[in-house]
Amino acid sequence: SAVISQKPSRDICQRGTSLTIQCQVDSQVTMMFWYRQQPGQSLTLIATANQGSEATYESGFVIDKFPISRPNLTFSTLTVSNMSPEDSSIYLCSVEDSPGSYGYTFGSGTRLTVV
Amino acid sequence: QKEVEQDPGPLSVPEGAIVSLNCTYSNSAFQYFMWYRQYSRKGPELLMYTYSSGNKEDGRFTAQVDKSSKYISLFIRDSQPSDSATYLCAMSAGNSGYSTLTFGKGTMLLVSP
Repeated sequence: SAVISQKPSRDICQRGTSLTIQCQVDSQVTMMFWYRQQPGQSLTLIATANQGSEATYESGFVIDKFPISRPNLTFSTLTVSNMSPEDSSIYLCSVEDSPGSYGYTFGSGTRLTVV
Repeated sequence: QKEVEQDPGPLSVPEGAIVSLNCTYSNSAFQYFMWYRQYSRKGPELLMYTYSSGNKEDGRFTAQVDKSSKYISLFIRDSQPSDSATYLCAMSAGNSGYSTLTFGKGTMLLVSP
């Protein structure tokens, strides 16, 4: 399975500011996924990031709020923009264990608190 | 009705007990079913996956899928304190990264020594 390094592990941010979360994978992967895990809620897919193309966003998530970069096959960033307390959540990146597999490997997550 | 329903718990059991964790779902297109374990302050890790209906066993863990009832289960035999974690069910209609995973909210399991 791939090994994912996600940074920062946690942060406390002021409302109105932005935070960029980094996800580094130890192998080349086609797709990387960004999830949000709000307290008491299920893991929710924010967007899918392919290298060399625009990210695909799920319903309820927009690029202006969650811009994503995917400069190469091992790295991606998710920015949470113009933050409000409602953005307080855990954000996780994920990759397929292997192409076409069922399993996904997740990073340890970024615990974001907006005050 | 949410696509995937899962009791959040917490479920508290003594060491050695048999644990049953369950999810129900409403989307009949789901064919791939997974269980993830998530320790505190960690990302989810894949425990088991099954395709369509049936059982799958791996050590102390057994996953069951009943598509006719839209019901999946994870059984843990001889539970250990190290099994204390949140267990997430997940499912998808396809077997590739192009098929979105839908997660349950997770059930917190506490196994006491």
